[in-house]
Amino acid sequence: GNSVTQMEGPVTLSEEAFLTINCTYTATGYPSLFWYVQYPGEGLQLLLKATKADDKGSNKGFEATYRKETTSFHLEKGSVQVSDSAVYFCALDYTGTASKLTFGTGTRLQVTL
Amino acid sequence: NAGVTQTPKFQVLKTGQSMTLQCAQDMNHNSMYWYRQDPGMGLRLIYYSASEGTTDKGEVPNGYNVSRLNKREFSLRLESAAPSQTSVYFCASSEGTGGSGELFFGEGSRLTVL
Repeated sequence: GNSVTQMEGPVTLSEEAFLTINCTYTATGYPSLFWYVQYPGEGLQLLLKATKADDKGSNKGFEATYRKETTSFHLEKGSVQVSDSAVYFCALDYTGTASKLTFGTGTRLQVTL
Repeated sequence: NAGVTQTPKFQVLKTGQSMTLQCAQDMNHNSMYWYRQDPGMGLRLIYYSASEGTTDKGEVPNGYNVSRLNKREFSLRLESAAPSQTSVYFCASSEGTGGSGELFFGEGSRLTVL
């Protein structure tokens, strides 16, 4: 079946450090890939997405590239801020309608001054 | 600018009690979902409604029932709560077929079953 594997957290970084959160997936066909972010006390919100191989999603300084050959969708940011502290979820969807989103377990990021 | 609204935000139940979580969206979305979030498990889909008048089971439907009351509202009912249902519940909505695939989430409802 479909699955998403994320690196375990928490990830603790100093402000302005480089961030990578690894995500790999197992899926039949060619799913769309997503990163959602959950700030403390809030619901999840879409951070970025990519719908086909080699697509790069980007938003708020975050980037992720859909790598079909390595089945990966790693999240990166060149310089994190304290306000980026949150839980990040990688997810895949092969229906095109979000009706069968499969989420990873989430990676908590803590950014300190 | 409400988006997806869930009530209640917090609830404590005793084993065997029943309750209903309410969810409403004002984005004219076709599809609505209920997820539960547990530590180390990520989000798991309980039930979803692809369109008004339809509901389908997700990954973990046992112990729950849902009602798509109209296009705006999708409720989740626990008929006889169990401690294993202690969790944070999220309602979400999306445009559905032909849409962007993005889910819009409510702020969550924290349920504790004693």
